[in-house]
Amino acid sequence: KNEVEQSPQNLTAQEGEFITINCSYSVGISALHWLQQHPGGGIVSLFMLSSGKKKHGRLIATINIQEKHSSLHITASHPRDSAVYICAVRSPGGADGLTFGKGTHLIIQP
Amino acid sequence: NAGVTQTPKFRILKIGQSMTLQCAQDMNHNYMYWYRQDPGMGLKLIYYSVGAGITDKGEVPNGYNVSRSTTEDFPLRLELAAPSQTSVYFCASSRTQGINNQPQHFGDGTRLSIL
Repeated sequence: KNEVEQSPQNLTAQEGEFITINCSYSVGISALHWLQQHPGGGIVSLFMLSSGKKKHGRLIATINIQEKHSSLHITASHPRDSAVYICAVRSPGGADGLTFGKGTHLIIQP
Repeated sequence: NAGVTQTPKFRILKIGQSMTLQCAQDMNHNYMYWYRQDPGMGLKLIYYSVGAGITDKGEVPNGYNVSRSTTEDFPLRLELAAPSQTSVYFCASSRTQGINNQPQHFGDGTRLSIL
């Protein structure tokens, strides 16, 4: 069973700061997901990675398969980025759902 | 686009009551999932389905049942509600092709309290 650890658990930053959230996992995966959960509770998929790096707007996600580690970066952070960011992994074979980290609660203050 | 629709959004049950959480998707996805999210914990898989007529247990299936009679619908049944089932429940779906590279689409969740 994969163990997914995220750090930090909580992060408060000022608007404009560069944000990094980390995720590590214990066994090999076929894909890693970054998800965003807003205070209203809905969950949105941000990225899915199996190697390298992806960028979408101010968000950048990287993964190092050898080190079993991924990072989510937010550039020029804004209060609307305040949310819980969740890392989840899919095991090889894939059908049986994702294994989730506990999430990182991010607050961006104006 | 409706995507994944869950009903109800909120529900309060008494211990021992039963109910069905509904989940429907209109994206013709074969794979569907039920997760629960407890405070301070990561989402945990309850049951999943890889297509109509096929379901399998996830990490925390006890106290729940599912069925998948159509591609669109994947209801989750609680037969004898217990306080430990107080949680937020999320339904999700994904495409089959290239499953390793498909995102999961989540519903808005059902917040369930057992009193």
